[in-house]
Amino acid sequence: AQTVTQSQPEMSVQEAETVTLSCTYDTSENNYYLFWYKQPPSRQMILVIRQEAYKQQNATENRFSVNFQKAAKSFSLKISDSQLGDTAMYFCAFHRGTGTASKLTFGTGTRLQVTL
Amino acid sequence: KAGVTQTPRYLIKTRGQQVTLSCSPISGHRSVSWYQQTPGQGLQFLFEYFSETQRNKGNFPGRFSGRQFSNSRSEMNVSTLELGDSALYLCASSVNRGLADTQYFGPGTRLTVL
Repeated sequence: AQTVTQSQPEMSVQEAETVTLSCTYDTSENNYYLFWYKQPPSRQMILVIRQEAYKQQNATENRFSVNFQKAAKSFSLKISDSQLGDTAMYFCAFHRGTGTASKLTFGTGTRLQVTL
Repeated sequence: KAGVTQTPRYLIKTRGQQVTLSCSPISGHRSVSWYQQTPGQGLQFLFEYFSETQRNKGNFPGRFSGRQFSNSRSEMNVSTLELGDSALYLCASSVNRGLADTQYFGPGTRLTVL
C-alpha cells in the first residue's frame, strides 16, 4: 500500500516571501502521479499542481513549483511571492498510474499561514 | 463549465438514522469518487464509480454504500449512523481516460451526527 507523509503540521510565512512544504511517499510502483491540493477555510479542495512520475522536469504553475526527487521519493511544493490568499491546508496526494481505478492517497496536510 | 456540486451542504442527523448525499460531476466527467475527511483520520477514500459500476472501494463498513446514475450523478448512503460518521464528505470527478486523470472536488457535505 502507498503512504504519503507530510512532516510539517503547520508553517508560517510572511507575505511576498517563499516557503517550501515537504512531502515524502512510499510506493513500489514505477508509474504514478503526485498532486498538491489546497483547502482554504471554505473547505473547497482546489488543485494546485500535478506531477507525472515519468517526467523528469518539475511541474510549475505560476507561483507554485515542485521539486520532484523520484529516487528519494520526495515531492516538495515551493510557493513564491506568498499571498494572503495562499493561507490554507495543503495536502500532498498520490495516485497509482496503472489500472483505471481512481483513488487518491492523501498525506495529513500542512497548515500554512501567510502573515503581513 | 460548472464545477462539481454537492447537496446538501450541511446535514444534521441523529444516531441510527440513515442519510443520502448527492454529487453532480463536471459535465463530461464519468468517474466519481467519494472521500471522508475527519480531524482524526484525515482524508480517506470511500469508493469510486464509473459508468454506473463501483470500481474501487476503501476500507469502510458495509453501512457505507453508493451508486451512480446514467447521467454520472452519484449518491452515497450511510445507514445506521454512528457518532463517528460525523465528517466532511467530499466528492470528486474526473474525465477518466484510462490514466490518472486529475480529480476535481466539490465543496463537500458537512454531516453532523448527534
